[in-house]
Amino acid sequence: DVKVTQSSRYLVKRTGEKVFLECVQDMDHENMFWYRQDPGLGLRLIYFSYDVKMKEKGDIPEGYSVSREKKERFSLILESASTNQTSMYLCASGRLDEGYGYTFGSGTRLTVV
Amino acid sequence: GENVEQHPSTLSVQEGDSAVIKCTYSDSASNYFPWYKQELGKGPQLIIDIRSNVGEKKDQRIAVTLNKTAKHFSLHITETQPEDSAVYFCAASKGGSYIPTFGRGTSLIVHP
Repeated sequence: DVKVTQSSRYLVKRTGEKVFLECVQDMDHENMFWYRQDPGLGLRLIYFSYDVKMKEKGDIPEGYSVSREKKERFSLILESASTNQTSMYLCASGRLDEGYGYTFGSGTRLTVV
Repeated sequence: GENVEQHPSTLSVQEGDSAVIKCTYSDSASNYFPWYKQELGKGPQLIIDIRSNVGEKKDQRIAVTLNKTAKHFSLHITETQPEDSAVYFCAASKGGSYIPTFGRGTSLIVHP
């Protein structure tokens, strides 16, 4: 089975801290994504990447950056965490072509205090 | 850009009943429509998908229908079981990037 592994299930960080969320996939997928999930708002795309060192803004990129130095790893960075970034963060990966479904990780519940 | 509306936001049924979740999309160029199931504490998991050249697809107790003219698609679950309780997301995407636009989710509760 394809696996998408997120490094932490739960994180608690302080306002102003720099936060790194890590995601690794094991199926050589070109596409990788970061979403945040909030009650009533569904899944909102933060950033995605088509390939190594490539990144594209999603719908809500403000306050976030990403890094993709290796094909299997996609990191989400909160440069200066704020309380409104408290959320569930989901990483996903998938093939570039043909519109296949994506595989999601189990999520990281981030609380910023 | 694409806009996907999903209804209802919450659906409560008795075990054995059928459940139907409906989605509409705005971009007529969308041609791939996946459905995801998210169980408590887990990430969403793809359960079924349909492409625009097909009107209906079935997989055991779940089925998806697509009406391209009306730009809506639906998930049908028959003989519901408690383990069907989850949040379900629809999505729409199109050729080129195939980046999906998600609906806001439906919380399905199946009462034993």
